Amino acid sequence: RKEVEQDPGPFNVPEGATVAFNCTYSNSASQSFFWYRQDCRKEPKLLMSVYSSGNEDGRFTAQLNRASQYISLLIRDSKLSDSATYLCVVGLNSWGKLQFGAGTQVVVTP
Amino acid sequence: NAGVTQTPKFRVLKTGQSMTLLCAQDMNHEYMYWYRQDPGMGLRLIHYSVGEGTTAKGEVPDGYNVSRLKKQNFLLGLESAAPSQTSVYFCASSPQGANTGELFFGEGSRLTVL
Repeated sequence: RKEVEQDPGPFNVPEGATVAFNCTYSNSASQSFFWYRQDCRKEPKLLMSVYSSGNEDGRFTAQLNRASQYISLLIRDSKLSDSATYLCVVGLNSWGKLQFGAGTQVVVTP
Repeated sequence: NAGVTQTPKFRVLKTGQSMTLLCAQDMNHEYMYWYRQDPGMGLRLIHYSVGEGTTAKGEVPDGYNVSRLKKQNFLLGLESAAPSQTSVYFCASSPQGANTGELFFGEGSRLTVL
């Protein structure tokens, strides 16, 4: 079983629509949570951290559910430029052992 | 703003050949990491370093060696390449450790082993 699991998609989203997807993690001792964005054949880049109380960054909202061990990402008013693969990343300890999900592909269409 | 630079960007090797991937960062970061990314899998940590002169094994270290002789450079070596090492390799650096989420990645190095 993978330690971090994501629906690979693709999620095909009309421009302007809302899309949401989850990621589940297996280790209940996980301490930190992030969403990274990776464009095709490019390097991953940090999109946002995920806090226990949930947090927003513009059109992006992230939620953490520790009881059910999942995090979610919601994108409102999708733009063509949001097309990318979104990586769920879970941190296990203080020095930085991170577990990466395989990613969820989002395709925003005109 | 160079950030994290990886060389080479592409390489084709024959089984048994050796090579070194170079990662250089100009942000004075203490922590550096080497990951590999394969289709359908998340990035997996090969080796990491928490400062100049230090290295440690990650999740998938077998077949790889690393060195961090200078703070800004982190080298990944393949002594005898195998087809299973065909992958995209990403170097990353972080000022205070990856658990902060502040990982800065290089553009990746695509390695094919025939």
